[in-house]
Amino acid sequence: GENVEQHPSTLSVQEGDSAVIKCTYSDSASNYFPWYKQELGKGPQLIIDIRSNVGEKKDQRIAVTLNKTAKHFSLHITETQPEDSAVYFCAATLGNKLTFGGGTRVLVKP
Amino acid sequence: KAGVTQTPRYLIKTRGQQVTLSCSPISGHRSVSWYQQTPGQGLQFLFEYFSETQRNKGNFPGRFSGRQFSNSRSEMNVSTLELGDSALYLCASSLEAGGFNEQFFGPGTRLTVL
Repeated sequence: GENVEQHPSTLSVQEGDSAVIKCTYSDSASNYFPWYKQELGKGPQLIIDIRSNVGEKKDQRIAVTLNKTAKHFSLHITETQPEDSAVYFCAATLGNKLTFGGGTRVLVKP
Repeated sequence: KAGVTQTPRYLIKTRGQQVTLSCSPISGHRSVSWYQQTPGQGLQFLFEYFSETQRNKGNFPGRFSGRQFSNSRSEMNVSTLELGDSALYLCASSLEAGGFNEQFFGPGTRLTVL
């Protein structure tokens, strides 16, 4: 079926280090891949997105890469800070709806 | 611009009851999607409404229903509540339908079924 797999489910990094989260998707027709950050007690918030005609996109300390052939995309956070601690979700448009990965709980240790 | 608002924020119901949740999208957004978030299943798509029409539906039983009004506000209803319906229900609005545009999420309604 249509699904998005996300790894790892938890990630603990030292402040200042980089964090990488990886996702794979099943539908080769997918063309929109957003990443969301969810803090405790809040709804998910879009932090970056990429479309299938682009291989990489950066926004300050955050970058996303997309490999359409392999059907996977990744989120890279550099120089992590304590406020980066949250749950991160990848998503892909599958069948005209957003399908989310299972989430990654990121803990940045000071 | 005001963000997506959801009411109520918290709700406690008992098995067998029904519940109605409300979502007001960002002004100008015509699409509203609903998701169920649970620790075990993550974010699951319920349905999407655009211009008062249901455009897409997830794999949930018929007890879950929704509607959208002419001002784009949306409601979802869950009838004959079960313990497993306890979850955070999120709505998200976007300019267009289909999941190809940025979706803005509300804070969610935390439903507890006893």
